[in-house]
Amino acid sequence: SQQGEEDPQALSIQEGENATMNCSYKTSINNLQWYRQNSGRGLVHLILIRSNEREKHSGRLRVTLDTSKKSSSLLITASRAADTASYFCATRPRAGGTSYGKLTFGQGTILTVHP
Amino acid sequence: SQTIHQWPATLVQPVGSPLSLECTVEGTSNPNLYWYRQAAGRGLQLLFYSVGIGQISSEVPQNLSASRPQDRQFILSSKKLLLSDSGFYLCAWSPTGVRGYEQYFGPGTRLTVT
Repeated sequence: SQQGEEDPQALSIQEGENATMNCSYKTSINNLQWYRQNSGRGLVHLILIRSNEREKHSGRLRVTLDTSKKSSSLLITASRAADTASYFCATRPRAGGTSYGKLTFGQGTILTVHP
Repeated sequence: SQTIHQWPATLVQPVGSPLSLECTVEGTSNPNLYWYRQAAGRGLQLLFYSVGIGQISSEVPQNLSASRPQDRQFILSSKKLLLSDSGFYLCAWSPTGVRGYEQYFGPGTRLTVT
């Protein structure tokens, strides 16, 4: 089943504004990852945050993780038109059991950045 | 560097026809391999994954099958396509072992069953 659920489903902003996307999940995780997908293309890995981390930065990206609330957020600062894409969170379950090693993807947030 | 290839890029097939989609990875050995299906540009559904040659795990019972005849080759097949098999099929790989957290995706195959 799809564990991660992104919110909002779609987000439309102007260039220069910040974009925040949220992800909620249901079970214990080893790590949570964010991916980007341009229309009709494959997914590209953006950033990974481990369950013992609370915040991580990569360039204009900032990811937070709250394991007590089973939620994560992705912030893109000073957005550009080229950031227009779908963004997905994916969770990797805690070690052990038959689901170990696989990723479960959410439904994604469609981000549109207007120039 | 590692690269992943998928072909064909697009495919239009009639209902009841067979299917064969191929995925190959270069620049790494013994990767974990995955097949996903994505409907209408939304979430990904894991179909199959493989941790080695001949080792295939199926996630969802369906009209599809997968095979891994070589270390870096992953094939998705069907004997008779259904309309519901239409979608965007993505192959991905990840390194094995502790580093095997991130997945790297191919460009995808757009399948339309008519």
